[in-house]
Amino acid sequence: EAAVTQSPRNKVTVTGGNVTLSCRQTNSHNYMYWYRQDTGHGLRLIHYSYGAGNLQIGDVPDGYKATRTTQEDFFLLLELASPSQTSLYFCASSDDGQGNTGQLYFGEGSKLTVL
Amino acid sequence: QQQVRQSPQSLTVWEGETAILNCSYEDSTFDYFPWYHQFPGESPALLIAIRPVSNKKEDGRFTIFFNKREKKFSLHIADSQPGDSATYFCAASAYNYAQGLTFGLGTRVSVFP
Repeated sequence: EAAVTQSPRNKVTVTGGNVTLSCRQTNSHNYMYWYRQDTGHGLRLIHYSYGAGNLQIGDVPDGYKATRTTQEDFFLLLELASPSQTSLYFCASSDDGQGNTGQLYFGEGSKLTVL
Repeated sequence: QQQVRQSPQSLTVWEGETAILNCSYEDSTFDYFPWYHQFPGESPALLIAIRPVSNKKEDGRFTIFFNKREKKFSLHIADSQPGDSATYFCAASAYNYAQGLTFGLGTRVSVFP
């Protein structure tokens, strides 16, 4: 079964703070994604990656950077956090092999509060 | 602009009834339509999915009905159980689904005994 782990699970920072959310998947999936979940907005795609060193812009990228250092590791960076970035962040991965269903496997989520 | 529209926002049914959740989409390149469910405090998980080659997909008590002409699809939960209480998200992606899924805003389903 797919395993996607995120850290930290909870983070509180102040406006202007620097935050890094980490995600590791151990299923040899090439595709990884960062979503944010907010009441009234559902799940929105921030950034995604096709593989190590690759980065693609999602639907709500403003204020976020991302880096994919290896096939397993995908990081989301908030260099100047703002209260509007208070949210629940999910990392996800999906496979790309034969018979690919496009199924997303989500991590446990990282709750970020920006004061 | 919401590319995948979902309704209702919330739904309450009694145990044993059929819950019906609706979604519509605009992008004609979308050809993969999954439903995810999310229980409180947990992450979303795939429930059932359909491709336009068929207009119906069943998995136990869960059925997707798909109407390509009208760009609509729905999830029917038959014989609803209290354990089905969760938030359900419809989603869609193009054949190159590596670009990720576009989700609807979710339907909060409550099933009362």
